[in-house]
Amino acid sequence: EAQVTQNPRYLITVTGKKLTVTCSQNMNHEYMSWYRQDPGLGLRQIYYSMNVEVTDKGDVPEGYKVSRKEKRNFPLILESPSPNQTSLYFCASSLVAGGPFRDEQFFGPGTRLTVL
Amino acid sequence: RKEVEQDPGPFNVPEGATVAFNCTYSNSASQSFFWYRQDCRKEPKLLMSVYSSGNEDGRFTAQLNRASQYISLLIRDSKLSDSATYLCVVVKSASKIIFGSGTRLSIRP
Repeated sequence: EAQVTQNPRYLITVTGKKLTVTCSQNMNHEYMSWYRQDPGLGLRQIYYSMNVEVTDKGDVPEGYKVSRKEKRNFPLILESPSPNQTSLYFCASSLVAGGPFRDEQFFGPGTRLTVL
Repeated sequence: RKEVEQDPGPFNVPEGATVAFNCTYSNSASQSFFWYRQDCRKEPKLLMSVYSSGNEDGRFTAQLNRASQYISLLIRDSKLSDSATYLCVVVKSASKIIFGSGTRLSIRP
């Protein structure tokens, strides 16, 4: 089944404790992206990747890191989480043809993160 | 002012009604436009792309008005299963994918 998976789905942690949220897609998509969703603000792009070893900042990259060592995986790293990073996080992927400009983005099921 | 604005609703309409949402955007260089549907606490899923010529998919019709910088979604003969939040998405580039904050729709029997 074509899908984007994220782990963990739910995470409660404390300020400053490094964490990684994994994202994996099995559709051979070149484009991958991370978003956070907060009430009243919609989804905001954190980082994106056009291909392996190619990553760039989105609208709200502060406090986050990503890596793209393999096409299928795009982990999101919070080196020192803070309470303002409490949010619902979505990973997404898309075909390279036109990238996200014209193609559908497929989203993972989301990771609900609480930072105390 | 937000780059993409949607009426948050909620829109509460009876089954069978026709309902329309608008979404305005501020960046005239925007290239692609979409409507996504998001069920409560679930991931967004593509409902339809939006083209200047307008497009229709069953009971759903999407329109783009570049001159006035808005996109619209029309749902005819609404079903209970249409209850969801509808997100408009405006794309300028790979790093400029702007989601609206969503319009909540609730269909009542």
